[in-house]
Amino acid sequence: EPEVTQTPSHQVTQMGQEVILRCVPISNHLYFYWYRQILGQKVEFLVSFYNNEISEKSEIFDDQFSVERPDGSNFTLKIRSTKLEDSAMYFCASRGTGETLNTEAFFGQGTRLTVV
Amino acid sequence: RKEVEQDPGPFNVPEGATVAFNCTYSNSASQSFFWYRQDCRKEPKLLMSVYSSGNEDGRFTAQLNRASQYISLLIRDSKLSDSATYLCVVGYQAGTALIFGKGTTLSVSS
Repeated sequence: EPEVTQTPSHQVTQMGQEVILRCVPISNHLYFYWYRQILGQKVEFLVSFYNNEISEKSEIFDDQFSVERPDGSNFTLKIRSTKLEDSAMYFCASRGTGETLNTEAFFGQGTRLTVV
Repeated sequence: RKEVEQDPGPFNVPEGATVAFNCTYSNSASQSFFWYRQDCRKEPKLLMSVYSSGNEDGRFTAQLNRASQYISLLIRDSKLSDSATYLCVVGYQAGTALIFGKGTTLSVSS
């Protein structure tokens, strides 16, 4: 069964450092997402990406964040200068093929980011 | 405004019980509706999509009331393995954000 894969599973970084979280979405999907979940809190939308550009972003997704799909398979989230409050589980998701756009999203297993 | 509200629970029920979860959403333009399940420290996984006419999948039944902007999930004959957090998820235009509720925690005991 196709799946969304994320690497690394856990990343520890020092405050102020840049991190890149990587995702390989399901190959025929058209829409890609990043979500985050702070421990004990809800799953929060960060950004959606379609046709090589951001289609929607939340208030959380400020100038410190960026996304890229550099090679047609990987989908990355970069945090330029991490803060302690960026510590969370980050989930990548993908959905939607050419025939059925409004389908469910499939989530990767997440990257646990710890900023120290 | 895009908000999804759920009763956080926890719901503590014995095996075999029937339990119902409710969810309301704020944006009347919502187009897609889902229930996801999340186990502790794991990714959300689709439990079932929710269709306008209501739908059933084994012990699980989902209902949608567009007029009231209300979604429900009924679990019959609860199993220990049903213990998890159940997330109500609402989508708008294709490709835009899927908005999650905070989740309802279910604990099934023997």
